[in-house]
Amino acid sequence: AQKVTQAQTEISVVEKEDVTLDCVYETRDTTYYLFWYKQPPSGELVFLIRRNSFDEQNEISGRYSWNFQKSTSSFNFTITASQVVDSAVYFCALSDLNTGNQFYFGTGTSLTVIP
Amino acid sequence: NAGVTQTPKFQVLKTGQSMTLQCAQDMNHEYMSWYRQDPGMGLRLIHYSVGAGITDQGEVPNGYNVSRSTTEDFPLRLLSAAPSQTSVYFCASRKGQGRYGYTFGSGTRLTVV
Repeated sequence: AQKVTQAQTEISVVEKEDVTLDCVYETRDTTYYLFWYKQPPSGELVFLIRRNSFDEQNEISGRYSWNFQKSTSSFNFTITASQVVDSAVYFCALSDLNTGNQFYFGTGTSLTVIP
Repeated sequence: NAGVTQTPKFQVLKTGQSMTLQCAQDMNHEYMSWYRQDPGMGLRLIHYSVGAGITDQGEVPNGYNVSRSTTEDFPLRLLSAAPSQTSVYFCASRKGQGRYGYTFGSGTRLTVV
């Protein structure tokens, strides 16, 4: 069965520290897609990144980077030099081709960056 | 381009009342879904639709109805509100399955007293 686990419920870091948010997924499919969303205190859900199962290259976007490792079924998200504006709940999600519209969300990690 | 529009943003209901949460998207997306978000439980799927006239149940469908008469609109009806339905509700749409991510509405904070 498909499942996304975000074991870190809450994380607090001091501004300028690096922080990694963990995401572990389960799927039997060979073709699938992984996503990260950000939910700032204002409440909206914002798309950050999508990665497909055939592309294991790490991706960097400014202070954000993502590490996808199929061997450990993980898709971790690192924020370098964290800022107060990074304070949010971050959701990891899995989408595959064999379960219709199902889009599996993790339970989220609440990140607080302390100034 | 408005994306996904949800109304209202806030609502207080008394137990037993009914109401409809409105959702409209202008991206011509086939797939639309309703999620509820509760503390510590992430986002749980209530109902979804893969096209006009087609709807199906998600993980937590009890107490809710949906219909999809047009591609643009996907209203969520609470039949007889209960305190357990106090939550934040998100409507979302996506172009298709698989590689397509969701675009979310801004959410509706519902309180049932």
